[in-house]
Amino acid sequence: EAGVTQFPSHSVIEKGQTVTLRCDPISGHDNLYWYRRVMGKEIKFLLHFVKESKQDESGMPNNRFLAERTGGTYSTLKVQPAELEDSGVYFCASSQQQGANEQFFGPGTRLTVL
Amino acid sequence: RKEVEQDPGPFNVPEGATVAFNCTYSNSASQSFFWYRQDCRKEPKLLMSVYSSGNEDGRFTAQLNRASQYISLLIRDSKLSDSATYLCVVALIWSNQFYFGTGTSLTVIP
Repeated sequence: EAGVTQFPSHSVIEKGQTVTLRCDPISGHDNLYWYRRVMGKEIKFLLHFVKESKQDESGMPNNRFLAERTGGTYSTLKVQPAELEDSGVYFCASSQQQGANEQFFGPGTRLTVL
Repeated sequence: RKEVEQDPGPFNVPEGATVAFNCTYSNSASQSFFWYRQDCRKEPKLLMSVYSSGNEDGRFTAQLNRASQYISLLIRDSKLSDSATYLCVVALIWSNQFYFGTGTSLTVIP
């Protein structure tokens, strides 16, 4: 069974540009999560989808970040315009059930904003 | 105040040693507890869930002390392949989001 996949694996952009990250969850997983790890800090929650609906977006840092999951399959996370402090590793995770069950993580997208 | 606190290490131990990691959490409404393992530049992977009664999986033993809001992971007979970062993860009763510690780095030396 394929795991969670993310694209791209790395992205280097300049401040002010736009970047879109993609996550494909494990097939059949209704729950999809985005997390971010900024250098030297812990992994932090950004938001949670149940199918195509945003269940919890309390961790989104500001309105420069837009997450979508049209059709309830893959998800995109767009940063526009990117700022220096957005640099970090963006992880996507998915789970079959809600609640505090195991979440399966993707390999992450390493974003560098110059 | 951080939700989850871990000693970042690094822990450098010889093969065959026993090593213990500790983690504390701040929210008494925390319901579920996990240890994830993360290899360099890879995704976090579940190592084991932590149950109130404590649980063991081979060389790994996890303990939970709700009164002290403390979680531990014990690794016996360390192998070179155990070298990784160990992440303490907590989830609250009403939430699906995971709270991570910064991770504890372990290097097992030949």
